[in-house]
Amino acid sequence: GENVEQHPSTLSVQEGDSAVIKCTYSDSASNYFPWYKQELGKRPQLIIDIRSNVGEKKDQRIAVTLNKTAKHFSLHITETQPEDSAVYFCAARKAAGNKLTFGGGTRVLVKP
Amino acid sequence: GAGVSQSPSNKVTEKGKDVELRCDPISGHTALYWYRQSLGQGLEFLIYFQGNSAPDKSGLPSDRFSAERTGGSVSTLTIQRTQQEDSAVYLCASSFGYETQYFGPGTRLLVL
Repeated sequence: GENVEQHPSTLSVQEGDSAVIKCTYSDSASNYFPWYKQELGKRPQLIIDIRSNVGEKKDQRIAVTLNKTAKHFSLHITETQPEDSAVYFCAARKAAGNKLTFGGGTRVLVKP
Repeated sequence: GAGVSQSPSNKVTEKGKDVELRCDPISGHTALYWYRQSLGQGLEFLIYFQGNSAPDKSGLPSDRFSAERTGGSVSTLTIQRTQQEDSAVYLCASSFGYETQYFGPGTRLLVL
């Protein structure tokens, strides 16, 4: 089955700096890659997603890039703010099914 | 509109007892998923229901775990003869077809 690896497991950045989280997936049939943000004690919430027919997608300070050949995708957060502190999860899904396989998560801490 | 809701929010039980966790998906959503999140860990897929199709049970860790979805709406996850390693947050999500999955707040289960 699909396997998703996520790095780093923890990331500490200074407010205003950029943060980058990387994920790799194993199944070349995967075609949908969402990113979820989970604040402490709260539910995961979708922040951005990308499908395999595009290489990059941006939404304000958040962007995601996808390299299908290398089977990896990344989340980029620019001009980080304290409210960006949370755990971020990447995930992958195959076209034929609807099950999301999640990475292990990255705990991001933005220091003021 | 109302989001995904789950009950109870917290459940403490003794080892060996059975527990039932409930999920109310977003109205009109055809798919419903259960995930498990152990402390500080990622999200582990358990089971999903899509319309009237047979559920994908491939993530259930043992035959002590079962789930049903009545009338294509509410779902109940049952854990029989609970063990301490079952302690985790159980998250439910729903989606309309293959669209974005929206998560509920989770049920925090503690097995003593």
